Amino acid sequence: KQEVTQIPAALSVPEGENLVLNCSFTDSAIYNLQWFRQDPGKGLTSLLLIQSSQREQTSGRLNASLDKSSGRSTLYIAASQPGDSATYLCAGSNYKLTFGKGTLLTVNP
Amino acid sequence: GAVVSQHPSRVICKSGTSVKIECRSLDFQATTMFWYRQFPKKSLMLMATSNEGSKATYEQGVEKDKFLINHASLTLSTLTVTSAHPEDSSFYICSARGLAGTPYEQYFGPGTRLTVT
Repeated sequence: KQEVTQIPAALSVPEGENLVLNCSFTDSAIYNLQWFRQDPGKGLTSLLLIQSSQREQTSGRLNASLDKSSGRSTLYIAASQPGDSATYLCAGSNYKLTFGKGTLLTVNP
Repeated sequence: GAVVSQHPSRVICKSGTSVKIECRSLDFQATTMFWYRQFPKKSLMLMATSNEGSKATYEQGVEKDKFLINHASLTLSTLTVTSAHPEDSSFYICSARGLAGTPYEQYFGPGTRLTVT
């Protein structure tokens, strides 16, 4: 059974700082790994999807990496902004998605 | 991109009544749809998986007689919460997956906030 863990559970940083969110998974036989953003009371916004054959994906200030052998993924956010404040979820896909509990990010002006 | 809608976005109902939530894929055919539940400050919990024209497959611990799922067409799935009780109050999110696009990628709806009084 896939288990996904996210560290840290919460993170508070000053505006402009670069930061890394961590995600680990137990079953390396995943089809892909997705990172999502969720604002309070809202649905999920897909940020990046890394297929199992890929090592990383980039979109703007976001970069996600995937290391299947170690069961880890990271989401790097460059030059953080207050608008980046949200909960970030990672999810591994073995046909079904298994979500971590998320990292609550607060970027202070 | 692939768009999934949910209706209603919010619903308040009285204990004992039933509530239906719709999930629609607007610009693609969804061969598989998923229903998730999210408790406050918790992650998403998969409730069931439904393939078009087939009975839904429920996750362990999810009451199939309480959470009725229908996936009658390639663009519509419904979740009916029967005889709702306050403990059913939650945020329900659906997702859909089609044959086109990135393999196994799911597209998520905006969610439905259910409050049972």
